[in-house]
Amino acid sequence: DVKVTQSSRYLVKRTGEKVFLECVQDMDHENMFWYRQDPGLGLRLIYFSYDVKMKEKGDIPEGYSVSREKKERFSLILESASTNQTSMYLCASGSGGPEGNQPQHFGDGTRLSIL
Amino acid sequence: SQKIEQNSEALNIQEGKTATLTCNYTNYSPAYLQWYRQDPGRGPVFLLLIRENEKEKRKERLKVTFDTTLKQSLFHITASQPADSATYLCAPFFNQAGTALIFGKGTTLSVSS
Repeated sequence: DVKVTQSSRYLVKRTGEKVFLECVQDMDHENMFWYRQDPGLGLRLIYFSYDVKMKEKGDIPEGYSVSREKKERFSLILESASTNQTSMYLCASGSGGPEGNQPQHFGDGTRLSIL
Repeated sequence: SQKIEQNSEALNIQEGKTATLTCNYTNYSPAYLQWYRQDPGRGPVFLLLIRENEKEKRKERLKVTFDTTLKQSLFHITASQPADSATYLCAPFFNQAGTALIFGKGTTLSVSS
């Protein structure tokens, strides 16, 4: 069965810290995505990648960066965490490359609190 | 910019009835549209995909329709059960928006027995 694993279910960090969220998929998918989900705002795309070392900005990339050194792993980095980055973060993967239009498989999320 | 609207934040129905959820979009017409289910504390799970040249798609008790004239997709759950209670997200894919889906905010369905 397909699996997207996020490193932590819950995480508490302090403002100004550099925060790393890790995501690993075992389906050999080309595409990987990072979203955040907030009440009333829905799922918003932060960054996505359709190949190793490739990245594209989503709708809300400010304050975030990403790294994809291996096909199966996509990391989200909060350069200097702020309280407005408290949220549920969801990672997803899918096949299809740059023309990717296949269903996305999601992890169960990391609930991040910035104090 | 693209706008996705799902008919209401919450929908309450009785067991055995058909639930109908609406997804409306503006501007560009999507090449295809996906529907996902999300349970509390979990990530979304893919349910169905319908392409722009398809009018209807079925999977067990689920049915999705796609009307490019009305700029609307309808998601039906027939003979609904309490286990169908969840949030349902529509996600159109617009070629003009790059390679990423745009998700609606979702409709939370509650099925009472």
